[in-house]
Amino acid sequence: GQNIDQPTEMTATEGAIVQINCTYQTSGFNGLFWYQQHAGEAPTFLSYNVLDGLEEKGRFSSFLSRSKGYSYLLLKELQMKDSASYLCAVKDSDYKLSFGAGTTVTVRA
Amino acid sequence: IAGITQAPTSQILAAGRRMTLRCTQDMRHNAMYWYRQDLGLGLRLIHYSNTAGTTGKGEVPDGYSVSRANTDDFPLTLASAVPSQTSVYFCASSDLAGAGELFFGEGSRLTVL
Repeated sequence: GQNIDQPTEMTATEGAIVQINCTYQTSGFNGLFWYQQHAGEAPTFLSYNVLDGLEEKGRFSSFLSRSKGYSYLLLKELQMKDSASYLCAVKDSDYKLSFGAGTTVTVRA
Repeated sequence: IAGITQAPTSQILAAGRRMTLRCTQDMRHNAMYWYRQDLGLGLRLIHYSNTAGTTGKGEVPDGYSVSRANTDDFPLTLASAVPSQTSVYFCASSDLAGAGELFFGEGSRLTVL
């Protein structure tokens, strides 16, 4: 089975940086994903890590340490539109994706 | 390109009724999935299919069934709906040959009374 933990809520100021941590314990590992979900909408893909290290994509970066079962999503230069839920998900050996409960990020002016 | 289409968008259903949620993709992805999303619990996998003709059980399969007769369609059926199946249901697909990120439909909000 999968056990994926991430904080429930985070609040940050516009222009600031926020780091969302995710820890996982899984049966098999074939990659870690981050998704963004605005209220009332479908999740959309943000990033993918399968090897240790940092993946940077514009204002968003994602880090993975497989030995520690740990990842984080870094959001820089926060904008109001970044207010959303951020979902950590792990792909297991059967290629199924299991999700954490999500972290709601609120960006304040 | 439509991507993934789900129907209906929203439905209110009496307990005990049978309901099929439809899902169609036009991306020729080999894998398809059904998740339910409930407040505080996140997305939970109901059933999945890695290729046409095969299906598998996810984390919460009880009370649900699926079929995958072809690549494009992956309907989810509730044989006899119960109030605990009130949820938002998301269909998704992925190309297992690549990173395998999921592409989601817009969701179907189901209320069972």
